[in-house]
Amino acid sequence: AQSVTQLGSHVSVSEGALVLLRCNYSSSVPPYLFWYVQYPNQGLQLLLKYTTGATLVKGINGFEAEFKKSETSFHLTKPSAHMSDAAEYFCAVSEQTGANNLFFGTGTRLTVIP
Amino acid sequence: DAGVIQSPRHEVTEMGQEVTLRCKPISGHNSLFWYRQTMMRGLELLIYFNNNVPIDDSGMPEDRFSAKMPNASFSTLKIQPSEPRDSAVYFCASSLSRGNSPLHFGNGTRLTVT
Repeated sequence: AQSVTQLGSHVSVSEGALVLLRCNYSSSVPPYLFWYVQYPNQGLQLLLKYTTGATLVKGINGFEAEFKKSETSFHLTKPSAHMSDAAEYFCAVSEQTGANNLFFGTGTRLTVIP
Repeated sequence: DAGVIQSPRHEVTEMGQEVTLRCKPISGHNSLFWYRQTMMRGLELLIYFNNNVPIDDSGMPEDRFSAKMPNASFSTLKIQPSEPRDSAVYFCASSLSRGNSPLHFGNGTRLTVT
């Protein structure tokens, strides 16, 4: 069985500060891991994904995430927050074997303070 | 690539009425997913299809909900009769049927049942 835990339903950072959004997963088999972003009144958009290979994954808009198997984590970071980063962020996991349906976390709403 | 297209964007209806939500997946994608998003419950997978065949409908709340995919380019989600607790944003997503393939989401249908 798979599940995703996102610590902190709301995160606030100052413009220019580091963004860190936490995600821990549970999976009985090697996972595929994803981060999605949702802007108001829109669907979810893929930020980045980890499948195999390099554990540090770079995505769009300057975001990156590192897969740490020993910690079962896939935290999302960005060195310097921009006002346009304000949105809701979802971590998701699917199995490397079997169906490709995603299991989503409950989301983290990021607020950027000017 | 036009992306996943959902219609209507907004639907307001009275309790007891039938509601039909529509989705056109990205051409070439053979997996299609219906999600529901609410403040209380977050993102919930309702049902997904592979090659037009329903694979897992365990998330469909009750018999009032039904989904069909008559061909590779069209799917519907029907609620009959609708109830106020069905008010939510309903998302359709499509992907290739591989575990590492990301989901591409439509912009959703915001349903309000009065």
